[in-house]
Parts: sequence; structure tokens; C-alpha cells
Amino acid sequence: NAGVMQNPRHLVRRRGQEARLRCSPMKGHSHVYWYRQLPEEGLKFMVYLQKENIIDESGMPKERFSAEFPKEGPSILRIQQVVRGDSAAYFCASSRGTGTDQETQYFGPGTRLLVL
Amino acid sequence: KQEVTQIPAALSVPEGENLVLNCSFTDSAIYNLQWFRQDPGKGLTSLLLIQSSQREQTSGRLNASLDKSSGRSTLYIAASQPGDSATYLCAVRTNAGKSTFGDGTTLTVKP
Repeated sequence: NAGVMQNPRHLVRRRGQEARLRCSPMKGHSHVYWYRQLPEEGLKFMVYLQKENIIDESGMPKERFSAEFPKEGPSILRIQQVVRGDSAAYFCASSRGTGTDQETQYFGPGTRLLVL
Repeated sequence: KQEVTQIPAALSVPEGENLVLNCSFTDSAIYNLQWFRQDPGKGLTSLLLIQSSQREQTSGRLNASLDKSSGRSTLYIAASQPGDSATYLCAVRTNAGKSTFGDGTTLTVKP
């Protein structure tokens, strides 16, 4: 059973470009979470999604950031018109669902975004 | 707003010592608490998850406890090894699904 997969692992963008980060959850997992880790800072929650639904986006910046988890395919975190302050490691996690024994979050290796 | 604090921020011990990492949280209305380790430049590895109704969980040399009323969790590592060197993070999940992470404790185990 493959773990959570994220691609690309490293992404370089110039200011003003768009960044698209992909996350494929573990097989059988329908819940996806995105976190951001800024340099020298801790992990911060961004958004929690289930298939085709955003459950909690309280950690998402109000502008330029969006996330989706379509019925088919990976979850996408999209950052439009990137700025240098968006440079960070973006981690995706997945869980099977809610309820006992289903809530453990498993993390992907992260995408390290560098904005020049 | 949930706030999670981990103390100490860094810890260095000789190999073989038993040690305790601390995690405190401000809102006791939690859904669960999960401990992770993160190696430099890598993702997070889940260590233990404690449900809000549980008091502790054990896995090998690791034991995590939870005291909701006092807003505390501890991660006990027995007989530490150099391979245990990493940053240890605790994450507190609310009923809404959001997880709040502490800033971590960076552990160095010296041979």
C-alpha cells in the first residue's frame, strides 16, 4: 500500500506565476489535509477536504489560494500569482475517515516551493 | 482558539536515557491528539494517536499519555537511541477536523 504521494517534490516559480501542488492520498483514504511549514516555523493547518467537499478552510489565505479534491484524481492546492512569502514546504496528509481507528493522519513527503 | 506548546524546544541526551517530551494545549475540547516525528527535510511520520476518551497509547519504546482536564500530553521514550534524533511534534485535533501543531521538540541522542 503506497503512502501519501505528493508531486512535485520541489517546485520553483517566479513571482506572479501559478503553483499547482498535487496530493494523492493513501488507498482507501477519503480525507485530505493541507499544511504549510514556513522556514523556521511550525506546521500550520490550511484546509481539510473530503471528496468534492471543503470541510474546513479556516487556515487558507483569503486570496490567491484554493484547494480541491475531485471525485477522481488527486487533491490540488493552487496558488495564483505567487509571491516570495509563499516559499515554504507544503505537506498533505490523508486519513481513512472519522471514528476510532480511522483518524490517524499519514503525511506525504511534502512539496518545497521556492519563489524567486 | 487552540494553542499548542511544546517544551523543551530542544533536548540533548546521551544514548540509553529515558526521556519525556511535553505538549500542552489551551482548549480541552479535543477530538484526538497525535504525536509525529519529522526528520530534517522530510515529511512527518505518525507515532501514536490518542483518542480524547483514552489515557495513553504505547508502541514499542514509546508511550504517550493524555490528560485532557489539565491540557497536557507527554511522550515517553525509553532507552533512547541515536536513531531517535528528530523533531517531535504533537498535533491536537478539534471536532471540526482542524489540527493545531506545536512547534516541536528537537531531540538529539548522542552515541
